[in-house]
Amino acid sequence: NAGVTQTPKFRILKIGQSMTLQCTQDMNHNYMYWYRQDPGMGLKLIYYSVGAGITDKGEVPNGYNVSRSTTEDFPLRLELAAPSQTSVYFCASSWGPGQGAGELFFGEGSRLTVL
Amino acid sequence: DAKTTQPPSMDCAEGRAANLPCNHSTISGNEYVYWYRQIHSQGPQYIIHGLKNNETNEMASLIITEDRKSSTLILPHATLRDTAVYYCIFAGGTSYGKLTFGQGTILTVHP
Repeated sequence: NAGVTQTPKFRILKIGQSMTLQCTQDMNHNYMYWYRQDPGMGLKLIYYSVGAGITDKGEVPNGYNVSRSTTEDFPLRLELAAPSQTSVYFCASSWGPGQGAGELFFGEGSRLTVL
Repeated sequence: DAKTTQPPSMDCAEGRAANLPCNHSTISGNEYVYWYRQIHSQGPQYIIHGLKNNETNEMASLIITEDRKSSTLILPHATLRDTAVYYCIFAGGTSYGKLTFGQGTILTVHP
């Protein structure tokens, strides 16, 4: 199993550009998450999804959009990139409560710089 | 949102036990305590979880107080490779969806 795969691993954007961070998981997990982590800081939840077709805002959703058309994929869209969105983005997935340990599986991260 | 409190940093000598505390005084009866660690800038890695009983696996032990308001992660014989940021969170049932993390504890294991 590949687990949680994020692409791209690195990206440099100019202010005002848009892009999509891709996240796919092959574990048939219902729950998927996007976090961002600024240097020296903890993880901040951007958006999450409890199943295909269902998404909800996390702690810091402004400037981002998500969709969940399939169980496997949970892309994160950045519209009109700003320097404040320079960060490392982590995608995660899990079974959710009641199945297995309910632990999160994380991708390797996508490092985004906005100049 | 589930909130936990952890010390910002701790030190431990190599080979000694590292005991990392976490306060989760607002935890509900059906919510589990989960511990993760993040080495350098890699994606966080699951360590262990528990509900009310103490738990042990190949990586660590988890001690949860009887009132469930706090817990301690124990790395029995810390190595230099255990230097990382350790996060505890709690979640379960209807609170599972919005999983938020605090700042965590930076554990430094020194020779």
